[in-house]
Amino acid sequence: GAVVSQHPSRVICKSGTSVKIECRSLDFQATTMFWYRQFPKQSLMLMATSNEGSKATYEQGVEKDKFLINHASLTLSTLTVTSAHPEDSSFYICSARDPLRSGEAFFGQGTRLTVV
Amino acid sequence: AQSVTQLDSQVPVFEEAPVELRCNYSSSVSVYLFWYVQYPNQGLQLLLKYLSGSTLVKGINGFEAEFNKSQTSFHLRKPSVHISDTAEYFCAVTNYGGSQGNLIFGKGTKLSVKP
Repeated sequence: GAVVSQHPSRVICKSGTSVKIECRSLDFQATTMFWYRQFPKQSLMLMATSNEGSKATYEQGVEKDKFLINHASLTLSTLTVTSAHPEDSSFYICSARDPLRSGEAFFGQGTRLTVV
Repeated sequence: AQSVTQLDSQVPVFEEAPVELRCNYSSSVSVYLFWYVQYPNQGLQLLLKYLSGSTLVKGINGFEAEFNKSQTSFHLRKPSVHISDTAEYFCAVTNYGGSQGNLIFGKGTKLSVKP
């Protein structure tokens, strides 16, 4: 099946620093990618929709200036958590849908962010 | 707007027993339905999906689900579970095809298989 690679899988950073998470579609071109956040023992909540070549669409309540999304190419989207704080600690997951495989979303492995 | 309700947050079951994980959805338009499995500290893996056609969908690892439009349900079943099936299971819905459209997830059901 299609592969979506997310990097890094784990990151620990100091409060106040920024962290970049990469999401790559390895064998297909994804015009749209999605970023989700998952709190412990909870479901995935959509943060934003990343559109290649244009601005991301953020869900209500998600701070655009804090969670910067860039979709510079058809195979790469990045999520940058700026000025991270301990409450930003969470599991972040990206997904991409292959236009040639109607309806199926492929997920990255997820990134466990811990802000200390 | 769509929503997904997974009625059971936790389902304990003994090995080799059958299991059903329940999922109901609401939507004013036609939907596509999915079940994903998540192992600890990992991403999501697709178990099966319903896009159209036969309402009984078979997936990987021996799982199957039946789409019931009148009851707006998409319950996941397996006739005999293994210890390795212990994981979190998410039901999801979207009303878009192709490459567009995000998934709306249920809150998840934690399946615990005991020896």
